[in-house]
Amino acid sequence: GAVVSQHPSRVICKSGTSVKIECRSLDFQATTMFWYRQFPKKSLMLMATSNEGSKATYEQGVEKDKFLINHASLTLSTLTVTSAHPEDSSFYICSAREGPTGTQYFGPGTRLTVL
Amino acid sequence: DQQVKQNSPSLSVQEGRISILNCDYTNSMFDYFLWYKKYPAEGPTFLISISSIKDKNEDGRFTVFLNKSAKHLSLHIVPSQPGDSAVYFCAASIIQGAQKLVFGQGTRLTINP
Repeated sequence: GAVVSQHPSRVICKSGTSVKIECRSLDFQATTMFWYRQFPKKSLMLMATSNEGSKATYEQGVEKDKFLINHASLTLSTLTVTSAHPEDSSFYICSAREGPTGTQYFGPGTRLTVL
Repeated sequence: DQQVKQNSPSLSVQEGRISILNCDYTNSMFDYFLWYKKYPAEGPTFLISISSIKDKNEDGRFTVFLNKSAKHLSLHIVPSQPGDSAVYFCAASIIQGAQKLVFGQGTRLTINP
């Protein structure tokens, strides 16, 4: 199956700093990537849809100025959590869609802890 | 509004028997359905999918059944193996457009030796 990587896998930062998370499709080109957030023992919540070369589309309730998404190439999307606060601590997962079939392949996730 | 629901938060099955995980949806516009398996602190792994033009799709030990009139799908795993213990998420999307996935809450499957 298609492989999606995320970096870093785990990050701990101080409140007020910004953190960048990278999502890469390793063996296919992804015109669309998605960013999710998962709270403990909860389902995955879609944050935004990222299309290569255009602005991301954010879900209702997600602050676009806080969660900056850049999709500069067909294999890379980045999520930057700006001025992170403890409530931003979560498990962030990206996915990339291969082709028009609708199947999304997920990265391994990034555990963000804001102190 | 929970458009995709997995009403069983957990399921325990004996090794070698059949595991049946259920999922219900409310949005009749959904036309593509997927099952993912997830271990703690990892991203979901794609298992199997089905489009609304079919009512069954099989891949090895995994079979997904879709009942459009009941807006219900199920995942059958047979025979169940200890390595199948994980959280299983069903997801639904609309093929046209952004194809955003809407996930259920997940069912934790435990396979007992």
